Amino acid sequence: DVKVTQSSRYLVKRTGEKVFLECVQDMDHENMFWYRQDPGLGLRLIYFSYDVKMKEKGDIPEGYSVSREKKERFSLILESASTNQTSMYLCASSLLAGAYEQYFGPGTRLTVT
Amino acid sequence: AQKVTQAQTEISVVEKEDVTLDCVYETRDTTYYLFWYKQPPSGELVFLIRRNSFDEQNEISGRYSWNFQKSTSSFNFTITASQVVDSAVYFCALSEADSNSGYALNFGKGTSLLVTP
Repeated sequence: DVKVTQSSRYLVKRTGEKVFLECVQDMDHENMFWYRQDPGLGLRLIYFSYDVKMKEKGDIPEGYSVSREKKERFSLILESASTNQTSMYLCASSLLAGAYEQYFGPGTRLTVT
Repeated sequence: AQKVTQAQTEISVVEKEDVTLDCVYETRDTTYYLFWYKQPPSGELVFLIRRNSFDEQNEISGRYSWNFQKSTSSFNFTITASQVVDSAVYFCALSEADSNSGYALNFGKGTSLLVTP
C-alpha cells in the first residue's frame, strides 16, 4: 500500500516563526502536492512538484515555499508564519499526473498564535 | 470560477436509507478525470474512485455506485443502505489534461454526510 506520512499531526507556532512541514512517500511517486483545507473552502492547492528540484505554484502560493531535494520528500515552508495560515495542511503524491489517483497523508493541523 | 460544485453542504440520513451525493463539474477539456474521496473524522482522505472522460459507464462497488453523465456534467455518488461508518465528508474532484497545475485536483467544497442509527 502507498504510504504518505507527514511529520506532525498537530503543530502550534507563533506569528513570525519559520515553519517546516515535512512529507514523505514510499512508493517512488513522481508527483507530490501540498494542499490546505479550510472550512467552507474545501482543499486548495499551494504548490506541487513533478520531479526532484522542480516546483510549480498552485492556486494560493503566497506566503509559502517548497523544497524537493529527494524524490520521496516534499517540504512546505512558511517563511514567516501568520495567523491566517492556521489551517489543515495535506500532502499528496501520485505516480504520474492526471490518470492516477493521489494518495494523501494524514494531515498537519497548524495553529499560528 | 468553481470547477467542481457540490451543492449539498450537509446531508443527514437514518441508517439503511439510500443517499445520493451530487457533483457537477465544469471543464473545456475533452480529456479529464473525475474522482471521489472520503474524509472520515480521522482526517485522512481516502480515494474511492477515478473515472476518465471517455468512460461513461456507471460503476458499482458493493454499496457504492457512481453515475457519470457527460451530457449534464455530473458525477453523482450513491450509497445504498447507508451505515453509520459512512459518516464522513465526501469530496468530488476534477483533474484536467490541459491544466498547468500538474494535473492537480480541483476539489469541490465537500458534502458532510451524517448517518444516524
